[in-house]
Amino acid sequence: QKEVEQDPGPLSVPEGAIVSLNCTYSNSAFQYFMWYRQYSRKGPELLMYTYSSGNKEDGRFTAQVDKSSKYISLFIRDSQPSDSATYLCATFQGAQKLVFGQGTRLTINP
Amino acid sequence: GAVVSQHPSWVICKSGTSVKIECRSLDFQATTMFWYRQFPKQSLMLMATSNEGSKATYEQGVEKDKFLINHASLTLSTLTVTSAHPEDSSFYICSATLAGSDTQYFGPGTRLTVL
Repeated sequence: QKEVEQDPGPLSVPEGAIVSLNCTYSNSAFQYFMWYRQYSRKGPELLMYTYSSGNKEDGRFTAQVDKSSKYISLFIRDSQPSDSATYLCATFQGAQKLVFGQGTRLTINP
Repeated sequence: GAVVSQHPSWVICKSGTSVKIECRSLDFQATTMFWYRQFPKQSLMLMATSNEGSKATYEQGVEKDKFLINHASLTLSTLTVTSAHPEDSSFYICSATLAGSDTQYFGPGTRLTVL
């Protein structure tokens, strides 16, 4: 079983829709969870960083962690065409080692 | 702040040749740098972790003699793919961390195509 599982999509939604992206993880010891956005042929950029359970909001983005079900989510409100990218969830496996989900390719249609 | 660059952004080479990829932290000193490989439509896979002045730590299954990593200064790490073959064609991405921080700042990636 992979440490982090993510539906690769693709996911296509109309502009303005609320987007829900999800990952599951296998190890209950994981504490820190990140969401990265990666545009085509570019390196990932950190969007959100959360610790343990709960919600974290930053503008149109909300990250949610449910440790009881080992489930992490990223919500995007009022989605824009510029949000079209691949979104990767990640967590730390040990000190500094990042493990990533497969990434979900998202397209926002104008 | 915390900008990481890579050079070249795209390289095409013949099978059997060696290719060097540079990763630089432009506005900070990076105590640790990481090298990842990403195949099309797949996630990033960590290849190795390098600390300035030390030998790199390679992940299981990554050939250290094939992927040579040098981290000679706090702002530069290099990855040399030796005797490259078509199966080495991939997107190579580096990242760097500041001292005392776990946040990794990623470079823009280098696309390697081996003919």
